[in-house]
Amino acid sequence: TQLLEQSPQFLSIQEGENLTVYCNSSSVFSSLQWYRQEPGEGPVLLVTVVTGGEVKKLKRLTFQFGDARKDSSLHITAAQTGDTGLYLCAGGGGADGLTFGKGTHLIIQP
Amino acid sequence: NAGVTQTPKFQVLKTGQSMTLQCAQDMNHEYMSWYRQDPGMGLRLIHYSVGAGITDQGEVPNGYNVSRSTTEDFPLRLLSAAPSQTSVYFCASSKMTGGYSPLHFGNGTRLTVT
Repeated sequence: TQLLEQSPQFLSIQEGENLTVYCNSSSVFSSLQWYRQEPGEGPVLLVTVVTGGEVKKLKRLTFQFGDARKDSSLHITAAQTGDTGLYLCAGGGGADGLTFGKGTHLIIQP
Repeated sequence: NAGVTQTPKFQVLKTGQSMTLQCAQDMNHEYMSWYRQDPGMGLRLIHYSVGAGITDQGEVPNGYNVSRSTTEDFPLRLLSAAPSQTSVYFCASSKMTGGYSPLHFGNGTRLTVT
């Protein structure tokens, strides 16, 4: 069974600060996706990374896939209250679907 | 632009009752799946389907049945509800498996079993 561990589990910071959340595994994944989920809704895809060492930017969000394709990070610059949510990483490569981490609950305080 | 539609949004069942959670997608996606989301446990795969007529078990299939008679619909059946099945259930679809295409999620069904 492939496992993905996310850290921290909870993070509360002030608006304008920077933060990084991590997604780690002992398994190699062919792809890594990041989703954001808001209360009462389903997760929504933010990004997919597929190449070891790949870096993708989405406005103030920077996603990195580790060289060995076992880990990933999400860095948010100058966090805004609209960034509040549950961030989930998910590893791909199996025929059955994605393996999800347990998520990072992020709260950005005004 | 409906995407993935789940019904009902909320449901309360008594132990032993059965029910069907409905899921429909209008994107012509071959892959559909059901997840449950519990506090501290993340999203866990219950069952999935790679096309009409094909279903398979995920990580936590016990107590649940699925069928896929059409590309659009993928209902999840609880045969005899138990309190341990209290959870939020998400249906999702994508063009293909493997994690290369986005999973599109419905807005969930919040199920309470008393």
